[in-house]
Amino acid sequence: TQLLEQSPQFLSIQEGENLTVYCNSSSVFSSLQWYRQEPGEGPVLLVTVVTGGEVKKLKRLTFQFGDARKDSSLHITAAQPGDTGLYLCAGESSASKIIFGSGTRLSIRP
Amino acid sequence: GAGVSQSPSNKVTEKGKDVELRCDPISGHTALYWYRQSLGQGLEFLIYFQGNSAPDKSGLPSDRFSAERTGGSVSTLTIQRTQQEDSAVYLCASSYIQGNEQFFGPGTRLTVL
Repeated sequence: TQLLEQSPQFLSIQEGENLTVYCNSSSVFSSLQWYRQEPGEGPVLLVTVVTGGEVKKLKRLTFQFGDARKDSSLHITAAQPGDTGLYLCAGESSASKIIFGSGTRLSIRP
Repeated sequence: GAGVSQSPSNKVTEKGKDVELRCDPISGHTALYWYRQSLGQGLEFLIYFQGNSAPDKSGLPSDRFSAERTGGSVSTLTIQRTQQEDSAVYLCASSYIQGNEQFFGPGTRLTVL
């Protein structure tokens, strides 16, 4: 069974600080997606990474796919209250099945 | 439509009753997914459809859960004889083809008393 573990489970930091959340697995994924979910809404896709070692930037967010395509990280620079939410990673297996991690709940204090 | 819609947005039911949850995917999307999310947790995969067929039913928690999709569009998730542990947000998503970006609906919050 393919599993995706996210850490930390919860993170509360001050506005302006930097943070990194992690998504790890013992399995290889053909691609990995990061979603953000706000209360009362469904998750919204932020980015998809496909190539091992790939780095993508989305304004203050930097996403990296591990060289072996088993793990990924999301780094946020100068966090803002609007970054608050549940961050979910999701991996696509070779069978084109999407598996979601358990999420990191991020809270940014003004 | 512009996005994935789900109805009802909230459902409160008594233990033992049956419930039906509806999902209207984005027009033209062939793949449709159902997930369950407990409070603040990640998504638990339930079932996905490619067209009207469900090649992967492995996530359905018990035989009280069933789903169908008709006309390659609307899907309903039915939970029979609901239990308190069925209380959760049920999310539906669709994608152009299986494996592509999934677009999520707002979910149906189910509360079983």
